[in-house]
Amino acid sequence: EYLVQSGAEVRKPGSSVKVSCKASGGIFAVNWMRQAPGQGLEWMGGIITVLKVQNYAQEFQGRLTITADESTNTVYMELSSLRSGDTGLYYCATLRDSRPMWGQGTLVTVSS
Amino acid sequence: DIQMTQSPSSLSASVGDRVTITCRASQGISDYLAWYQHRPGKVPNLLIYAASTVHFGVPSRFSGSGSGTDFTLTISSLQPEDAATYYCQKYNSAPWTFGQGTKVEV
Repeated sequence: EYLVQSGAEVRKPGSSVKVSCKASGGIFAVNWMRQAPGQGLEWMGGIITVLKVQNYAQEFQGRLTITADESTNTVYMELSSLRSGDTGLYYCATLRDSRPMWGQGTLVTVSS
Repeated sequence: DIQMTQSPSSLSASVGDRVTITCRASQGISDYLAWYQHRPGKVPNLLIYAASTVHFGVPSRFSGSGSGTDFTLTISSLQPEDAATYYCQKYNSAPWTFGQGTKVEV
């Protein structure tokens, strides 16, 4: 697989979670999406690795940080001040061969 | 930001029916449009990219068309296994906005 994400996480409300997305080759830009139970797919944010430029959806401004380690072809998504509504499946995706390619997803559960 | 408007939000059709789902971008996105089939708990399954290119392994009954602002996903002969939610997504630049989704019942 081209994008491999880290494993499932369980966090308490108010804490943070950091999910990794490792590519088997070089990466130019990576985006993060999520699906909460019963909700549609939503774009959270993305990073252009070579420019170190991030974009975040308004909904996640101030809580979301996306970083990249080009030496290991790994991108990280950190979401803070977690609440129960952040429970869901988190996906990274990039463009490869001119088409979107997704990681396998990471389940994040926020529960007290 | 460019908005993606997908319709209908749900539909029910019979096996063998031709099904069409539309997606409209609020500004032109050339052909940077993907269609996905999604089932809960699974990774979205890429069906179409570049608006009309069928992804490897996708049955030939799936096709996509359009460019600029108006796009269509067509299932030429609906099968029972096609029951799922379908999403369009723009990927020309951030944000990679999704349509609201179309739930297809067979």
